[in-house]
Amino acid sequence: EDQVTQSPEALRLQEGESSSLNCSYTVSGLRGLFWYRQDPGKGPEFLFTLYSAGEEKEKERLKATLTKKESFLHITAPKPEDSATYLCAVQLSPQGGSEKLVFGKGMKLTVNP
Amino acid sequence: NAGVTQTPKFQVLKTGQSMTLQCAQDMNHEYMSWYRQDPGMGLRLIHYSVGAGITDQGEVPNGYNVSRSTTEDFPLRLLSAAPSQTSVYFCASNRQGAGEKLFFGSGTQLSVL
Repeated sequence: EDQVTQSPEALRLQEGESSSLNCSYTVSGLRGLFWYRQDPGKGPEFLFTLYSAGEEKEKERLKATLTKKESFLHITAPKPEDSATYLCAVQLSPQGGSEKLVFGKGMKLTVNP
Repeated sequence: NAGVTQTPKFQVLKTGQSMTLQCAQDMNHEYMSWYRQDPGMGLRLIHYSVGAGITDQGEVPNGYNVSRSTTEDFPLRLLSAAPSQTSVYFCASNRQGAGEKLFFGSGTQLSVL
């Protein structure tokens, strides 16, 4: 069964304390991996897409990386406004089926001032 | 920029009632989809559409109905609401489907008593 696992489920950081969020997957036919940010009471907002192992993308204090089995979202010197839930989604192209997205459960990040 | 607009924001139903969740996008996107988000679970696809007049089932379609008469609108109908349908519902769209970033609406929080 295709699975996407995010860890930790919740993370509390002090402002300026860098850390990483993990998204591991056991899927067949990976086509791409997406990271989204979701604020309370709002819909997810797109951050990054990664397509191949070794690929990296950056946006402000966030950097996403991809290996053959997992992706990391590195947060450097976070600020309170980085507090949100971060979602990982894997794009699959299963044999005999149409492409689909499988979402992880999300990781709630809290950054304290 | 309106993007993806969902109404209502909140709704309370009694078991057995029916209702329609509205979704409209102004980006001329061909692909539209409905997800539900439950605590401790990832976003799950209910139904999707790749263009006007074309719809298909996602991962959890039972109890829901959709139609796509225009490019802009993709309503989700609950035929006979059940407590198991208590959830937050998100509509999303993009140009061509699972391989592209999704634009999400702000969600509808539905409670079925």
